[in-house]
Amino acid sequence: GQQLNQSPQSMFIQEGEDVSMNCTSSSIFNTWLWYKQDPGEGPVLLIALYKAGELTSNGRLTAQFGITRKDSFLNISASIPSDVGIYFCAGRTDTSGTYKYIFGTGTRLKVLA
Amino acid sequence: KAGVTQTPRYLIKTRGQQVTLSCSPISGHRSVSWYQQTPGQGLQFLFEYFSETQRNKGNFPGRFSGRQFSNSRSEMNVSTLELGDSALYLCASRRAGGPETQYFGPGTRLLVL
Repeated sequence: GQQLNQSPQSMFIQEGEDVSMNCTSSSIFNTWLWYKQDPGEGPVLLIALYKAGELTSNGRLTAQFGITRKDSFLNISASIPSDVGIYFCAGRTDTSGTYKYIFGTGTRLKVLA
Repeated sequence: KAGVTQTPRYLIKTRGQQVTLSCSPISGHRSVSWYQQTPGQGLQFLFEYFSETQRNKGNFPGRFSGRQFSNSRSEMNVSTLELGDSALYLCASRRAGGPETQYFGPGTRLLVL
């Protein structure tokens, strides 16, 4: 199945550090979404981006919709232990009201206290 | 407001059997989508239902089917189970009728022996 390229695949960081991850695609998307998934749970929406170049924040999280519409990045500032989990990007296309989501391969984040 | 609920949360079946999974969307949400999540393939879109009609379908064999009821609740059925069907099956709902994004349930973990 199709997946978006997401990097890094995993990372260990110290508590308090900033984290960056990105997602790239060969296709253009109308919307970029970032989700976090904890073990045994479904993904939870963190940030949604609807316009190329858009920069949106949600607390310590900041995400940007790339101007080419083929990429997006997510930054987490001052990481804390509860940031541990898997982060997924998703690109969405909209064709005549039919939405199609393609998900990234995921970034597994581990925070060392 | 209650989130998306899925039942059962865990299920063990043997090859050749069939299984039915259930999803209750967030109140007021009329669109329900189903995804399969595996370590190898990541999150893959199965199908989307809106107003009891399948609107969108991913690249899965006909053994995977679904339906939606008038109260927007949805079921997914997999017939003639194969070992490779072992996965976390996620349901997501959205209000529909606009660009609103989707919210995931906790998933049903299916193990096929």
